[in-house]
Amino acid sequence: GAGVSQSPSNKVTEKGKDVELRCDPISGHTALYWYRQSLGQGLEFLIYFQGNSAPDKSGLPSDRFSAERTGGSVSTLTIQRTQQEDSAVYLCASSPVGERLQALHFGNGTRLTVT
Amino acid sequence: GQNIDQPTEMTATEGAIVQINCTYQTSGFNGLFWYQQHAGEAPTFLSYNVLDGLEEKGRFSSFLSRSKGYSYLLLKELQMKDSASYLCAVNGGFNDYKLSFGAGTTVTVRA
Repeated sequence: GAGVSQSPSNKVTEKGKDVELRCDPISGHTALYWYRQSLGQGLEFLIYFQGNSAPDKSGLPSDRFSAERTGGSVSTLTIQRTQQEDSAVYLCASSPVGERLQALHFGNGTRLTVT
Repeated sequence: GQNIDQPTEMTATEGAIVQINCTYQTSGFNGLFWYQQHAGEAPTFLSYNVLDGLEEKGRFSSFLSRSKGYSYLLLKELQMKDSASYLCAVNGGFNDYKLSFGAGTTVTVRA
């Protein structure tokens, strides 16, 4: 069975360039999350999707960050004009929706390095 | 806001028991999760507590006290493969569909 798939697994970019990170959630999971993890830090919430809408974008650190989800499936996280402090592992997770929050299923992440 | 604290590092011997504590102060509470994360890999779900008490799953158990804002993860009969980071995460309420994570506890198991 397929888990959460993220691409690319590694991305090196120059400061000031835009990057797109992709997440393919588990089929049938309507909830999708983006987190980022910096070295030695906990997982930092970025954004939550329910279907194609994002009721919680409270974790996006600046207007350089945006995300969309289409067809209730694939999601793309875009970082414009990347900065060195954006270097981190970006993790995507999905979950089925029920009466309560269920366990998140994480992908292996995209390691972003901004030089 | 959410404040979730756990120790940074713990070391234990193969075959021993280790207890990882987690304290939280959140605006609401609707469940606490523990995840395991091996270096360079995705976090994987270990346990979930929403009511007070102990949940046991094989070698791993998790305890919750909501009145104290406290949980622990107990790892018994430690194996080398248990060397990993253990993440405590809290869901903060009925209108909150995300998890807030602590910084993680790195457990090193020595022979």
